[in-house]
Amino acid sequence: GENVEQHPSTLSVQEGDSAVIKCTYSDSASNYFPWYKQELGKRPQLIIDIRSNVGEKKDQRIAVTLNKTAKHFSLHITETQPEDSAVYFCAASSGTGFQKLVFGTGTRLLVSP
Amino acid sequence: DSGVTQTPKHLITATGQRVTLRCSPRSGDLSVYWYQQSLDQGLQFLIQYYNGEERAKGNILERFSAQQFPDLHSELNLSSLELGDSALYFCASSVTGGADTEAFFGQGTRLTVV
Repeated sequence: GENVEQHPSTLSVQEGDSAVIKCTYSDSASNYFPWYKQELGKRPQLIIDIRSNVGEKKDQRIAVTLNKTAKHFSLHITETQPEDSAVYFCAASSGTGFQKLVFGTGTRLLVSP
Repeated sequence: DSGVTQTPKHLITATGQRVTLRCSPRSGDLSVYWYQQSLDQGLQFLIQYYNGEERAKGNILERFSAQQFPDLHSELNLSSLELGDSALYFCASSVTGGADTEAFFGQGTRLTVV
């Protein structure tokens, strides 16, 4: 089955810096890669996603890149703000007609003012 | 607010008991998913339903069962509860349930087994 590894487990940056979180997946059939942000005790919130026919996607300060050959994808946050502090999860999904999201172990991002 | 509603928000129960968690998907969504989040296992997929039918199964214990009703709400039943079942249980929903559709999570039910 699919296995998703995520690094780093914690990331501390200064406000205004960029943050990069990396994930690798094992199943070459995976075709959908969402990123979720989770604040303490709250629901995972979809912040951006990318499909396997696209190499990069950007939404304001957030971007995701996908390298299908190497089976890895990354989340880039620019101009970080204290409110970006949260746990970020990557996930991968494969299959036809159904969705089993396999999540990474999460990255705790701390943005200091 | 994602539009996915879960009840109850918190549940405390004793070992050996049975509980039911309820989920109402976003308006228009036909597929619901259940996930378990615990400190040691992370976010784990349990099961998916689409328009009342089971679509995919993950690492769901035999003591757990779920169903999706004609009005599209879903229930997750957990029985013979053990201390290790204490976790956050999330429901998510999506329009079609396909592999590449966006899934939106509810606020979760925090289950504590004592």
